[in-house]
Amino acid sequence: GENVEQHPSTLSVQEGDSAVIKCTYSDSASNYFPWYKQELGKRPQLIIDIRSNVGEKKDQRIAVTLNKTAKHFSLHITETQPEDSAVYFCAASQLTGGGNKLTFGTGTQLKVEL
Amino acid sequence: DVKVTQSSRYLVKRTGEKVFLECVQDMDHENMFWYRQDPGLGLRLIYFSYDVKMKEKGDIPEGYSVSREKKERFSLILESASTNQTSMYLCASAPSGVRAEQYFGPGTRLTVT
Repeated sequence: GENVEQHPSTLSVQEGDSAVIKCTYSDSASNYFPWYKQELGKRPQLIIDIRSNVGEKKDQRIAVTLNKTAKHFSLHITETQPEDSAVYFCAASQLTGGGNKLTFGTGTQLKVEL
Repeated sequence: DVKVTQSSRYLVKRTGEKVFLECVQDMDHENMFWYRQDPGLGLRLIYFSYDVKMKEKGDIPEGYSVSREKKERFSLILESASTNQTSMYLCASAPSGVRAEQYFGPGTRLTVT
C-alpha cells in the first residue's frame, strides 16, 4: 500500500517568513495530493490540493508543488501570520471514482512566532 | 454547508466494554471513513465504506468493526475496549468521483481505563 512520509514534524518561523513542509510518497499510481490544516481543538480541513497532471498550484499565500519523478510534493506558505499556526497533514490517493482512500503523513506542527 | 457530526465529544469507558461511536453526515456522500489520531502518528485509517452495507479495512482494523446500514450513518464498534484504544477518533465523509475532499467530524476523545 501507499506510504507517505512528512518532514519536519515541527517548524517554527517568524511572522512574515516563509514555511515549507515536504512529503514523499511510495506508490507511483497515486495521482491526488491534498493538504489539510488542523487548528488546535478543531477538525482537519482541506486547504489546497494538486493532481498529478500539474506541477504547481497556488492559492493566495499557499502553494503546492509536485515532482512525480521523485515522488515528492511540498506545501509553501509565504508571509506567514499567527493564524497559520496549526498542524498540517499531507496525503496521497489514487483517485478511482470510488472510495478514494487517503493515506496521510504524520503531520507538521507549524508555529508562527510574533 | 457539509455537516459531519459525531455522537460524543468525550467518552470514558472501562476495559472490556463494547463501545459504539456514531457518525452522521447530511450531504448524501457515498464514502465514509473512520480514523484515529495519535500524537506523532498522524491520521490512520481504521475502516471505510463506499456504499451502504459495504466496508473495507484500512491500515489498522484490528480490534474494530463497523456498520453502515444507512447512507448517512457510519458506526465504529470497539468489541472489547482496551487501554491502547485510548485515542481521538475522527469520522469523515466524501463524495465519489473527482471531488475527493474529505469532510471531517469534530472528533471523539475516547479514554479507556
